Amino acid sequence: DIQMTQSPSSLSAFVGDRVTITCRASQGISNYLAWYQQKPGKVPKLLIYAASTLQSGVPSRFSGSGSGTDFTLTISSLQPEDVATYYCQKYNSAPLTFGGGTKVEIK
Amino acid sequence: EVQLLESGGGLVQPGGSLRLSCAASGFIFSSYAMNWVRQAPGKGLEWVSAISGSGDSTYYADSVKGRFTISRDNSKNTLFLQMNSLRAEDTAVYYCAKVRSASIVGATNYWGQGTLVTVSS
Repeated sequence: DIQMTQSPSSLSAFVGDRVTITCRASQGISNYLAWYQQKPGKVPKLLIYAASTLQSGVPSRFSGSGSGTDFTLTISSLQPEDVATYYCQKYNSAPLTFGGGTKVEIK
Repeated sequence: EVQLLESGGGLVQPGGSLRLSCAASGFIFSSYAMNWVRQAPGKGLEWVSAISGSGDSTYYADSVKGRFTISRDNSKNTLFLQMNSLRAEDTAVYYCAKVRSASIVGATNYWGQGTLVTVSS
């Protein structure tokens, strides 16, 4: 099975900073990758699908890139409301594995 | 408005069974694949199972294969997860989640609020 590895597992940044989270697949998955945001005590929310397509209603400071095995989620200017754990997920075929998550905090 | 409402969670002894339900509304249920995703206390998301829109195709994580069964009743807009031979490590919040497509090859764009399953003696 394909493994999904996220890095870092946590990060702390200032408001306004550019934040980058990486997700690596152990085998190529084309662009069948989604990113989710889960705020504390809340349900996960879809941010990006097809590696780089922004879900409707998601702020444009979020962006995704990559294809094959290496993917990136970028927050161009970190805001206080972005405090959350972010997960990647592959969905090209079962198992639909999630990455381990990246916890984002404000300095 | 898409709504997913899970029910059926609770406390069960190891080796016991539970059946989770998810009542869906606000979309054409039979046109979309559905997932069950779980989250153990303080842990990350774990995909559990998926079913195509027609119900013809089902998929399971290795951790639940042979113990859990996913099904759907498209006439009643309801998704199910039958969980047998439950173990302590199955303790988690179980989310019902809608996929963006009829096949499982799609991102999950709506999530229910989740139902807590606790396996303990």
